[in-house]
Amino acid sequence: AQTVTQSQPEMSVQEAETVTLSCTYDTSESNYYLFWYKQPPSRQMILVIRQEAYKQQNATENRFSVNFQKAAKSFSLKISDSQLGDTAMYFCAFRGAGGTSYGKLTFGQGTILTVHP
Amino acid sequence: DSGVTQTPKHLITATGQRVTLRCSPRSGDLSVYWYQQSLDQGLQFLIQYYNGEERAKGNILERFSAQQFPDLHSELNLSSLELGDSALYFCASSVSDSRQETQYFGPGTRLLVL
Repeated sequence: AQTVTQSQPEMSVQEAETVTLSCTYDTSESNYYLFWYKQPPSRQMILVIRQEAYKQQNATENRFSVNFQKAAKSFSLKISDSQLGDTAMYFCAFRGAGGTSYGKLTFGQGTILTVHP
Repeated sequence: DSGVTQTPKHLITATGQRVTLRCSPRSGDLSVYWYQQSLDQGLQFLIQYYNGEERAKGNILERFSAQQFPDLHSELNLSSLELGDSALYFCASSVSDSRQETQYFGPGTRLLVL
């Protein structure tokens, strides 16, 4: 079974600075998809970024980028120029491309990020 | 706004009761997923439907059931409710059941069992 671990329960950063959230996962599959979701105080789950395991290039979405290390099974999220609106819980999620992980997303425990003015 | 709608937003009920949570997927999406978010269990996958058929099952209790109707909306039925069923229940949808598809989440239904 796949597991996703976020080892940082809480992080804080000053506005305009850069912060990196960590995520590691465990799987025996060779192809899979990784996601970061954001959950602000409204509790809505919002997709931040996704990465296909077969792509070597790290995904980027505006101020958000990932550092995907397949051999190390590591998938960190970097937020540049942090904004107050980035304050939220961030979840790392895994979705396998085959086998019994058919449709489901497996989530980490989440990291609460607070951006201070 | 993801385009996924869920009703009701909040639900307060008593132990032993039965409730139904409703989800309408994004226009054009055929696949619906249900997740439970609780303080002790985190975010857990419950069940997936694709075009009316059950596709995958996760940690869904036998007291819980779901279905997807011909108009593609889905309902999650929770019966014999216990205090521990209090949680935020999310519905997500995707275009197909392909594993490469991104899932878009609804706003959730917050269930409180007293």
